[in-house]
Amino acid sequence: GDQVEQSPSALSLHEGTGSALRCNFTTTMRAVQWFQQNSRGSLINLFYLASGTKENGRLKSTFNSKESYSTLHIRDAQLEDSGTYFCAAGSNTGYQNFYFGKGTSLTVIP
Amino acid sequence: AQTIHQWPVAEIKAVGSPLSLGCTIKGKSSPNLYWYWQATGGTLQQLFYSITVGQVESVVQLNLSASRPKDDQFILSTEKLLLSHSGFYLCAWSHGLGGATGQLYFGEGSKLTVL
Repeated sequence: GDQVEQSPSALSLHEGTGSALRCNFTTTMRAVQWFQQNSRGSLINLFYLASGTKENGRLKSTFNSKESYSTLHIRDAQLEDSGTYFCAAGSNTGYQNFYFGKGTSLTVIP
Repeated sequence: AQTIHQWPVAEIKAVGSPLSLGCTIKGKSSPNLYWYWQATGGTLQQLFYSITVGQVESVVQLNLSASRPKDDQFILSTEKLLLSHSGFYLCAWSHGLGGATGQLYFGEGSKLTVL
């Protein structure tokens, strides 16, 4: 079965509003990354967390390894935030086998 | 600063033809290297990883092979393409064993269309 369950699969937000994306893990993960995939297909690094919370501008991410989940909060959404967001979680250090969620397709509406 | 470059940007190939995709990392010695594949509209799936020159491990069998001829180079190839090989191929690197973090850094990707 899937080791990373990402939700929601799709999300529409009006400009200026916010929401949260979530990833649940079925096994113990040591680190999580969040990416935004743009229209070209490039993966933009948003966050890498081994624990706790990080914030960058309008984005904030939390990783709780004990409760096996991670969240990505987007506030004050802008049109350029549209794209597909992926979480990826790794269970090992050194060699990293990151398991990707199925992605959240975010559309920001003017 | 480290940079990762993939080539070609896009390819249109016929079923049964050979394929070679490449990836070069500059500014980082002895990185761990990875190939990922993404079907259109799908998630990313790890195909291969390599922790050192000449050593490649397969994660998923897709009738593809990978090689690491140099410390900074990772090659994905096949002698006979299948329709199912279409998709987006991404190369990534992370710090090697003992490195500060295991964070993945991706290249820009190569889009493959098999007809």
